[in-house]
Amino acid sequence: DAGVIQSPRHEVTEMGQEVTLRCKPISGHDYLFWYRQTMMRGLELLIYFNNNVPIDDSGMPEDRFSAKMPNASFSTLKIQPSEPRDSAVYFCASSLSVSSYEQYFGPGTRLTVT
Amino acid sequence: AQSVAQPEDQVNVAEGNPLTVKCTYSVSGNPYLFWYVQYPNRGLQFLLKYITGDNLVKGSYGFEAEFNKSQTSFHLKKPSALVSDSALYFCAVRDGRSYIPTFGRGTSLIVHP
Repeated sequence: DAGVIQSPRHEVTEMGQEVTLRCKPISGHDYLFWYRQTMMRGLELLIYFNNNVPIDDSGMPEDRFSAKMPNASFSTLKIQPSEPRDSAVYFCASSLSVSSYEQYFGPGTRLTVT
Repeated sequence: AQSVAQPEDQVNVAEGNPLTVKCTYSVSGNPYLFWYVQYPNRGLQFLLKYITGDNLVKGSYGFEAEFNKSQTSFHLKKPSALVSDSALYFCAVRDGRSYIPTFGRGTSLIVHP
């Protein structure tokens, strides 16, 4: 398996623009997670899905952030409009539906908003 | 509620020496404990986990961790450090009812030649 795939790897955009981050989880994994990593705040869970259904989005910072999972093999995280404080590395991770199982992380998308 | 603490922001060790990266946790119920490693510009990579059984867990790249229930700790260890072990290490915990782990802040391990 290719592992969790994220695109783009790097994104530079101007404040106010819309940004869409993409994720393909490992085939067969039932859970999908979106995280944000910054030096100041560490690793933060934004939202997670189970069987394509959003379960907990309490970590989503504002209404400017939205996430979708239209099918088992694809998810998006959208920021609209983007702000400089959104600059971070965004990770997607997936796992099987047993609680003892570990998460598998993608390589991340480094977002810079100028 | 569940929480995890990594008390050291950075650990420095000479190559060939043993290393320890500390982690303590708090959960209600039995803990599921994990260690992940993050190399520069990469995602987190699973190293090892404790679910039940032997308190000493062996994982990838020669790492091991010891579960200590009385001290609520799960320290990561390696008998002989390599320069290539230099990375950011994350401890994570979840209780048996949750699929959502709580991650520590991370510890930067620097192995000097």
